[in-house]
Amino acid sequence: AQSVTQPDIHITVSEGASLELRCNYSYGATPYLFWYVQSPGQGLQLLLKYFSGDTLVQGIKGFEAEFKRSQSSFNLRKPSVHWSDAAEYFCAVGAPGGYNKLIFGAGTRLAVHP
Amino acid sequence: EAGVTQFPSHSVIEKGQTVTLRCDPISGHDNLYWYRRVMGKEIKFLLHFVKESKQDESGMPNNRFLAERTGGTYSTLKVQPAELEDSGVYFCASSPLAGGSEQYFGPGTRLTVT
Repeated sequence: AQSVTQPDIHITVSEGASLELRCNYSYGATPYLFWYVQSPGQGLQLLLKYFSGDTLVQGIKGFEAEFKRSQSSFNLRKPSVHWSDAAEYFCAVGAPGGYNKLIFGAGTRLAVHP
Repeated sequence: EAGVTQFPSHSVIEKGQTVTLRCDPISGHDNLYWYRRVMGKEIKFLLHFVKESKQDESGMPNNRFLAERTGGTYSTLKVQPAELEDSGVYFCASSPLAGGSEQYFGPGTRLTVT
């Protein structure tokens, strides 16, 4: 069955600390991979995506993610977290081609301490 | 360029009543998707329109849910009659017909059935 697992429901980090949010997926082939962020009262905003090629992907707001085929993972990282990064983060996968439905993980809620 | 808009932002109805949610996609986007997030769980796919045609409605929970997209522009999602378990946040997303694109999400409609 196709699924996405985000093992951490809540994470708290101090401002300026590094961040890594984990994402593992189960899919028949290498899917398209996405990270979305939802800030309070906002819709889902795309942080970054991986379709093919370089397995280290750069996104907006200083985020990056690394695709590891052998581990079926697509972890999100940021070297120095800002208070404005407090939000909920969703990992998602979709069928290659990009037309089809996305399968989401349950989300990781990030809190940032000053 | 206007983003995906959804109306209303919140709706509180009683069990057994009818509610209609509306989504206006980004102009020119032929793909339109509905998703739902129930109480802290993962965001789940409901259905996918290409223009006015239903491409995939495998995620629709039951026949109390009816989605339409007349003229291939805005879409409505009607729940009739609403049940308690229908409470959640309903997201709409759109993307252009060309493959490989991200889905652009609206802010969601929070539905509460009491």
